[in-house]
Amino acid sequence: SQQGEEDPQALSIQEGENATMNCSYKTSINNLQWYRQNSGRGLVHLILIRSNEREKHSGRLRVTLDTSKKSSSLLITASRAADTASYFCATDPNTGNQFYFGTGTSLTVIP
Amino acid sequence: SAVISQKPSRDICQRGTSLTIQCQVDSQVTMMFWYRQQPGQSLTLIATANQGSEATYESGFVIDKFPISRPNLTFSTLTVSNMSPEDSSIYLCSVERADNEKLFFGSGTQLSVL
Repeated sequence: SQQGEEDPQALSIQEGENATMNCSYKTSINNLQWYRQNSGRGLVHLILIRSNEREKHSGRLRVTLDTSKKSSSLLITASRAADTASYFCATDPNTGNQFYFGTGTSLTVIP
Repeated sequence: SAVISQKPSRDICQRGTSLTIQCQVDSQVTMMFWYRQQPGQSLTLIATANQGSEATYESGFVIDKFPISRPNLTFSTLTVSNMSPEDSSIYLCSVERADNEKLFFGSGTQLSVL
């Protein structure tokens, strides 16, 4: 399987703390993306980082990419209760049209 | 962006019956995808819906079980046929626009098979 893996599987933090989740993947990629899913509904795109980029910011989100280690991390700073959701990384490999989704991290932010 | 209307949002079905899920996009898109998300799991691609031709199925998924229609560039349906409890999942349609590398998702169909 080319599915990526994320850790931790579940993360519980207090409001205001930072949350970090990691993604590892298996193939060469064009880009890596992070998505958010609330309560088993549709996924919402958060941020995209290309294979030639090492770090990207968007609001309270910071994404890093290490292509030599085939890994990425998503940092959410100053977390809020509304950030409670599942977060998935998805890779867009060099070959084919399919996106490969990671196993997901379930984040709970306690008010 | 792309706005996707997916319905039904949820259904409870009896074993042996079939359910058709509809996905309507507010603009023409080339690539439409159908995913399955089993409880507590990640997304698995079922097939890519091609306009004017048969869908392209991923390993482990067959047309007889998951027939797909794509009559135009804004609409697709996925049918889950002869359902069993193992088909209980969230089914998601997704699109990728030619000018945008990210995926847009419908709100999902939560299917429970008794």
